[in-house]
Amino acid sequence: ETGVTQSPTHLIKTRGQQVTLRCSSQSGHNTVSWYQQALGQGPQFIFQYYREEENGRGNFPPRFSGLQFPNYSSELNVNALELDDSALYLCASSSGTREAGELFFGEGSRLTVL
Amino acid sequence: AQKITQTQPGMFVQEKEAVTLDCTYDTSDPSYGLFWYKQPSSGEMIFLIYQGSYDQQNATEPRREDSLNFQKARKSANLVISASQLGDSAMYFCAMREGNYGQNFVFGPGTRLSVLP
Repeated sequence: ETGVTQSPTHLIKTRGQQVTLRCSSQSGHNTVSWYQQALGQGPQFIFQYYREEENGRGNFPPRFSGLQFPNYSSELNVNALELDDSALYLCASSSGTREAGELFFGEGSRLTVL
Repeated sequence: AQKITQTQPGMFVQEKEAVTLDCTYDTSDPSYGLFWYKQPSSGEMIFLIYQGSYDQQNATEPRREDSLNFQKARKSANLVISASQLGDSAMYFCAMREGNYGQNFVFGPGTRLSVLP
């Protein structure tokens, strides 16, 4: 069983640019979510995708957008980057068959905005 | 108001000793789940243990005998690591999901645990 994989692991952008982060969810998991983790803080929920539709969103502006593909892989897109977007971006997936519904996370993409 | 509070920014424990990491939560939803995650320096969040709001007994992690001390009336869900190992040094996050489904987890600020040889 493969785990959640994310790419790229590190990247540097400048203010105003756009970035796309990618995630392959764990095998058999049809729900994926994205979290932003600023330095020294806990992760914050950005949004969730199920069956290629966004069906839950946290307190993030519309310039944060996403996609989920038929193979359950996902993308996070951030437009008009700001300095405060510098963070670790974590992708998570879960299986509806597990009682707890715990999230399985990737190792994250660390974004630095200069 | 903070939904998840972790009041210990950092903790030190001697190898093989027990340690309790504190977590209090706030919700008006009668159905919720509480989770603990470990985050080593690699960045990956590793699931440790889960407690449902209707569970009568404290959750335990069978491989290591770690447990979650769930006190519903006090809205606390402390993680008890029974015998610390050097590999347990990491950030630990308490999280809550309101309702039974979904991936909208609210995380606390975390506690950095350092295990000393």
